[in-house]
Amino acid sequence: QKEVEQNSGPLSVPEGAIASLNCTYSDRGSQSFFWYRQYSGKSPELIMSIYSNGDKEDGRFTAQLNKASQYVSLLIRDSQPSDSATYLCVVNDNDMRFGAGTRLTVKP
Amino acid sequence: DTAVSQTPKYLVTQMGNDKSIKCEQNLGHDTMYWYKQDSKKFLKIMFSYNNKELIINETVPNRFSPKSPDKAHLNLHINSLELGDSAVYFCASSRTPGQTLNTEAFFGQGTRLTVV
Repeated sequence: QKEVEQNSGPLSVPEGAIASLNCTYSDRGSQSFFWYRQYSGKSPELIMSIYSNGDKEDGRFTAQLNKASQYVSLLIRDSQPSDSATYLCVVNDNDMRFGAGTRLTVKP
Repeated sequence: DTAVSQTPKYLVTQMGNDKSIKCEQNLGHDTMYWYKQDSKKFLKIMFSYNNKELIINETVPNRFSPKSPDKAHLNLHINSLELGDSAVYFCASSRTPGQTLNTEAFFGQGTRLTVV
């Protein structure tokens, strides 16, 4: 059974701080990794994708992938109250398996 | 213009009834999914279809039956509804996993099913 594990949180950070979200996965052969954001009552939306080891930056978001450690993370710099949501780690090989999500609250 | 659309958005029904949720995507994707999100907000995959063929069938009661008339549609029929079926059901689509790395899934708006 393929597993995707996230710290369930909740995670609370002050406005302007860095939020760090972590995820591990069980299938060493996994190739595609995604971070989704889900606001309450809404559908998940993609914020980052990463396929190779290292860092990938997009605005205030940085995804980090370490395939040897089977670890993927998401950093949110200069966190804003509008970043408050649940963040979902997804590993997609022949399926799209979600982690349980980490609820992030950014306090003004 | 909606990429993935599912209907209805809300569904309230009595125990024992049979209901269907429809899903359509206009993205040209070959793979479609059904997910269930329970009260704890965990998104659990139920089914995956690729070009109308069932790929993933997780441990889901037989009362749930997906049907894909073509690769742009994946409907979910639920027989003999139970209280525990109350959840939000999401449809999604993506390019075919294994053929490309870019398999971002696009989600429908969700169907909130309440069984009373």
